[in-house]
Amino acid sequence: KAGVTQTPRYLIKTRGQQVTLSCSPISGHRSVSWYQQTPGQGLQFLFEYFSETQRNKGNFPGRFSGRQFSNSRSEMNVSTLELGDSALYLCASSSPGQGAYEQYFGPGTRLTVT
Amino acid sequence: LAKTTQPISMDSYEGQEVNITCSHNNIATNDYITWYQQFPSQGPRFIIQGYKTKVTNEVASLFIPADRKSSTLSLPRVSLSDTAVYYCLVLSNTGFQKLVFGTGTRLLVSP
Repeated sequence: KAGVTQTPRYLIKTRGQQVTLSCSPISGHRSVSWYQQTPGQGLQFLFEYFSETQRNKGNFPGRFSGRQFSNSRSEMNVSTLELGDSALYLCASSSPGQGAYEQYFGPGTRLTVT
Repeated sequence: LAKTTQPISMDSYEGQEVNITCSHNNIATNDYITWYQQFPSQGPRFIIQGYKTKVTNEVASLFIPADRKSSTLSLPRVSLSDTAVYYCLVLSNTGFQKLVFGTGTRLLVSP
């Protein structure tokens, strides 16, 4: 099975711009979640989508939004970029297993805001 | 989410077995112990998950005593490429949960 893929892998943007990141989950996985990872804050949960609906949300401002398509692919959008948005953005797909949800991460998109 | 405690760092040599212990005193009945591995600038990689006794896969083994208040991730015959940060998480099986990674254990494997 192919893993989680994220595009683009690297991105450089300027303050005030907006950016869209894409994530394709593992085939058959319907839940897609997004995380932001920075050296200072560690890995922080942004939101989770399941069957095209946002099911869980973290504590991020409204500039961060997402959506999920009928094929489970997901996009994350950040508007009015700030320098502090520079981070590794990770997407994870998951499915219920015999135990707790097993979340599988993609390689991430490294966003640099200048 | 049950709080977990694990060593900040560990050193090992190639070919040795590495055991990383995680303490989770407040684990609940519905909780599963889950381990992730992360290399710099990459997404965390799911390694193994277990509920009790022993779980083994092609990468590692997970030992969980009867009281489930701790667990041990065992990596057999480590290589240089096993140098990474290892995270222990306790997750409920009641539905999706956001992952909250602590500081993890930084494993350094030397030649």
